[in-house]
Amino acid sequence: KNEVEQSPQNLTAQEGEFITINCSYSVGISALHWLQQHPGGGIVSLFMLSSGKKKHGRLIATINIQEKHSSLHITASHPRDSAVYICAVRLGYGGSQGNLIFGKGTKLSVKP
Amino acid sequence: KAGVTQTPRYLIKTRGQQVTLSCSPISGHRSVSWYQQTPGQGLQFLFEYFSETQRNKGNFPGRFSGRQFSNSRSEMNVSTLELGDSALYLCASSFQLTGETQYFGPGTRLLVL
Repeated sequence: KNEVEQSPQNLTAQEGEFITINCSYSVGISALHWLQQHPGGGIVSLFMLSSGKKKHGRLIATINIQEKHSSLHITASHPRDSAVYICAVRLGYGGSQGNLIFGKGTKLSVKP
Repeated sequence: KAGVTQTPRYLIKTRGQQVTLSCSPISGHRSVSWYQQTPGQGLQFLFEYFSETQRNKGNFPGRFSGRQFSNSRSEMNVSTLELGDSALYLCASSFQLTGETQYFGPGTRLLVL
């Protein structure tokens, strides 16, 4: 079993729909990252979370440390949101910081 | 500020050769991390440097090595290349070692024939 599991693997949505991508992990972490990768390879870091919720524009990320689960929400989706979304966790407790482990990614396609 | 730059962008090598990839972080950033991305394995962590010291290392064989210079620029080296080393190699920089957003470079696409 992978230490970081994302669902769904693929997601097709119509423009304007509300989208949720989930990430579950089985290890102790100090932080969780959400990344966006467009065709061509460029990666952009969207959020880094260690607790609670963060919002940036139409993107919202939440994390539940007790349940070892995070969600990335996209409101009013747009075709330009089409990309692969990757969850990554930083291993470690408290002040100990370890390696990054990545999920396999969720490929999102938003149709106009 | 200029973003993270990686050179070269594309590279073709043959099995058994060695390769050196370079990463220049955003000015002022002291942490550089390296990642390998393949269609089969996805993104995997290679190593992380901060102030010229390797702080973390992923589960890769000793053929993969790296270093960081006093100006925070970093290089990674892969010796005795294998076909399976064909991948996109990404580096990312941040100001601190951890607890910070990472900024990714465009990657170096390596093809091993």
